[in-house]
Amino acid sequence: AQRVTQPEKLLSVFKGAPVELKCNYSYSGSPELFWYVQYSRQRLQLLLRHISRESIKGFTADLNKGETSFHLKKPFAQEEDSAMYYCALSENTGFQKLVFGTGTRLLVSP
Amino acid sequence: DTGVSQDPRHKITKRGQNVTFRCDPISEHNRLYWYRQTLGQGPEFLTYFQNEAQLEKSRLLSDRFSAERPKGSFSTLEIQRTEQGDSAMYLCASSSKGTAGNTIYFGEGSWLTVV
Repeated sequence: AQRVTQPEKLLSVFKGAPVELKCNYSYSGSPELFWYVQYSRQRLQLLLRHISRESIKGFTADLNKGETSFHLKKPFAQEEDSAMYYCALSENTGFQKLVFGTGTRLLVSP
Repeated sequence: DTGVSQDPRHKITKRGQNVTFRCDPISEHNRLYWYRQTLGQGPEFLTYFQNEAQLEKSRLLSDRFSAERPKGSFSTLEIQRTEQGDSAMYLCASSSKGTAGNTIYFGEGSWLTVV
């Protein structure tokens, strides 16, 4: 069965420290992977997707098919990065049926 | 705000009562999704509409749940004979194939508490 695992419920770092939010997945086909973010009192929104290979707000994520991972990284965390981060995969069903992980709360302290 | 809107934002109901949530997607988005999120969990897929057609339903969507999108615009999600286990955030999302890589836009959600 398709599954997305985010092993850390909470990740607490100091401003300026590197950040890595872990995400592992299990899927028999070739999934599309995403990171979604939810800032305090805001709606869930797309942060980045693996096919875009882009950096958003300094975050990057590389799909590693061998390790079935899609870790989210940022070299220098900022206080405004504090939020809930969800890793998700989209099954190849012709539409985006997303399977989400349980989320990691990132807390960046000054 | 021209994003996905949901109503009501919060609903407290007694067990056994029926509740209905409404979702207005982004204008001209032909794809509409319902997800459910419980505390400590990520959103879970419930159902998907393309225009007015309901094309997929999760096994999470028991026969007490019914979703409609009668004119291919807004959608409703009704829960009949609510149970305490139905307490959750119900999220609506929409997308349009071909725009921005089919990005899904979520609403703020409707909180349901069954007492």
